[in-house]
Amino acid sequence: DTAVSQTPKYLVTQMGNDKSIKCEQNLGHDTMYWYKQDSKKFLKIMFSYNNKELIINETVPNRFSPKSPDKAHLNLHINSLELGDSAVYFCASSQDISGSGELFFGEGSRLTVL
Amino acid sequence: RKEVEQDPGPFNVPEGATVAFNCTYSNSASQSFFWYRQDCRKEPKLLMSVYSSGNEDGRFTAQLNRASQYISLLIRDSKLSDSATYLCVVNWWDDMRFGAGTRLTVKP
Repeated sequence: DTAVSQTPKYLVTQMGNDKSIKCEQNLGHDTMYWYKQDSKKFLKIMFSYNNKELIINETVPNRFSPKSPDKAHLNLHINSLELGDSAVYFCASSQDISGSGELFFGEGSRLTVL
Repeated sequence: RKEVEQDPGPFNVPEGATVAFNCTYSNSASQSFFWYRQDCRKEPKLLMSVYSSGNEDGRFTAQLNRASQYISLLIRDSKLSDSATYLCVVNWWDDMRFGAGTRLTVKP
């Protein structure tokens, strides 16, 4: 079983559309994250959730809305997609919020906005 | 100053070479440090944690200098399979911040 799984793996869509990416972890971890990796390969934190509660919300447009129905799931919904949203989005989890433990990443969701 | 800054790279080295990467961080309160490896079009994976006294894992040695706020990674006897991007990661209050990565290509 994959520890952190995210779907879809690839997403191609038109500007202005709304799309969602789902993430699930079966590690029993308390903390989940969304990272964005742009074309320059820079991996940047977007959100983190601890036990379903939002902990970090970096400077991300409010078109991006995370939702955590339970601590094993963290979904990302994006409204009114823009060209600049094209990137690879990685979901990750860690044992807790302390930042002292390993991050486990999903395989990434490659979003292309045309 | 960037939160986590790495050698720009890319590093192109022959098999068997020794190569070193450096990384500096700006948050003096950081307590945890890591090196992650990311293969092309794959997710990052933990390579090794970095401890205050320095630590070694086979051909890989990681060092931490808190006074100067930098960490390093040394790879000895490079293999073709070491070709990847190496990401410096530093804990940032309650999350982790990544450097932009240093790309290593090991050539025959």
